[in-house]
Amino acid sequence: GENVEQHPSTLSVQEGDSAVIKCTYSDSASNYFPWYKQELGKRPQLIIDIRSNVGEKKDQRIAVTLNKTAKHFSLHITETQPEDSAVYFCAASRDPATDSWGKLQFGAGTQVVVTP
Amino acid sequence: EAGVAQSPRYKIIEKRQSVAFWCNPISGHATLYWYQQILGQGPKLLIQFQNNGVVDDSQLPKDRFSAERLKGVDSTLKIQPAKLEDSAVYLCASSLDVRAGGDTEAFFGQGTRLTVV
Repeated sequence: GENVEQHPSTLSVQEGDSAVIKCTYSDSASNYFPWYKQELGKRPQLIIDIRSNVGEKKDQRIAVTLNKTAKHFSLHITETQPEDSAVYFCAASRDPATDSWGKLQFGAGTQVVVTP
Repeated sequence: EAGVAQSPRYKIIEKRQSVAFWCNPISGHATLYWYQQILGQGPKLLIQFQNNGVVDDSQLPKDRFSAERLKGVDSTLKIQPAKLEDSAVYLCASSLDVRAGGDTEAFFGQGTRLTVV
């Protein structure tokens, strides 16, 4: 089955700096890669996702890059703000239209702390 | 739009007792998931329903965990008997029909924090 590894486990950045979180996956058939943000005591919420037919996607201060050959994808947060402090999870799944019903395999999470 | 509703928010039980969690997905969402999130780890899928049928329960400890989704809407997850290692947050999520194509974003509920003592 799919195995997703996420690094680092914790990340401290100064406000205004950039943060990068990296994930690797094992299943070459995976083609959907979402990122979730989970604030303390709250539910995980999707912040950005990418499918394997593109290499990069950007939404304001966040961007995700995908390297299918190397089987890794990364989340980039620029101009970090204190409200970016949260746990971020990457995930991977196969095309639900083919098999596995789109089962998401999550990474272990990265605790991001943005200090003013 | 209304989100995924879960209850209770918190539950403390003694080991070997039974517990049940309830989930009401977003209206119209055919796919429903139950995840277990142990402290410091990512969510782990326990069971996935498509309408009222189970499509993946490969990681569900079937000797003690059970789940149902009668009428393809609400769902309940039960643990009987509970063990100490079951202490975790149990998250319910739902999405549009994952095989209908298009957006398959999973929307999560607030979760139920279970403590087994």
